Amino acid sequence: IAGITQAPTSQILAAGRRMTLRCTQDMRHNAMYWYRQDLGLGLRLIHYSNTAGTTGKGEVPDGYSVSRANTDDFPLTLASAVPSQTSVYFCASSEGRGSDTQYFGPGTRLTVL
Amino acid sequence: GQNIDQPTEMTATEGAIVQINCTYQTSGFNGLFWYQQHAGEAPTFLSYNVLDGLEEKGRFSSFLSRSKGYSYLLLKELQMKDSASYLCAVRDSNYQLIWGAGTKLIIKP
Repeated sequence: IAGITQAPTSQILAAGRRMTLRCTQDMRHNAMYWYRQDLGLGLRLIHYSNTAGTTGKGEVPDGYSVSRANTDDFPLTLASAVPSQTSVYFCASSEGRGSDTQYFGPGTRLTVL
Repeated sequence: GQNIDQPTEMTATEGAIVQINCTYQTSGFNGLFWYQQHAGEAPTFLSYNVLDGLEEKGRFSSFLSRSKGYSYLLLKELQMKDSASYLCAVRDSNYQLIWGAGTKLIIKP
């Protein structure tokens, strides 16, 4: 079934630890995105990639890094987790940067203690 | 700054009609989106407006007025499964989506 998968589903992490959230899509979409969603706030863009081999910073990039080695995978890394990074993280993809629809993965619920 | 405003919560009755409003102030405009998000799940696409007017899709309709920076989502013949959050998002001049905080819609029997 075509779509986006994310792993892990949820994670509890000690502050200071390194963590990589995985995202894979099989729709051959060029553009991919990482968002965080916090209660009372809209989705906020962390990083994006318009095509394999390129990445860009979103609204809240500090403390996060991404890579896009191929079309399908777009991992998000927290180099040294802090409690303020406790959130639900969604990966999304679209055919292109200006395409109408973004498709979202199921999300990763991350708690940093 | 960029800003998307929508009500935090609304309550409606099964079978009725509800209108969820969204106002926006953004750097440029390249379309407005509505997404539905059930609790604990991912957002899913509902509608897209780039020109003024009404777009109808089954029980759901979305309206846009670019001059007023205003949109609404109209849900007809409400069903219990429509209980969800509804997210308004505007694509700005950099083709980045700016998201509202969402409107939680509660449907009562």
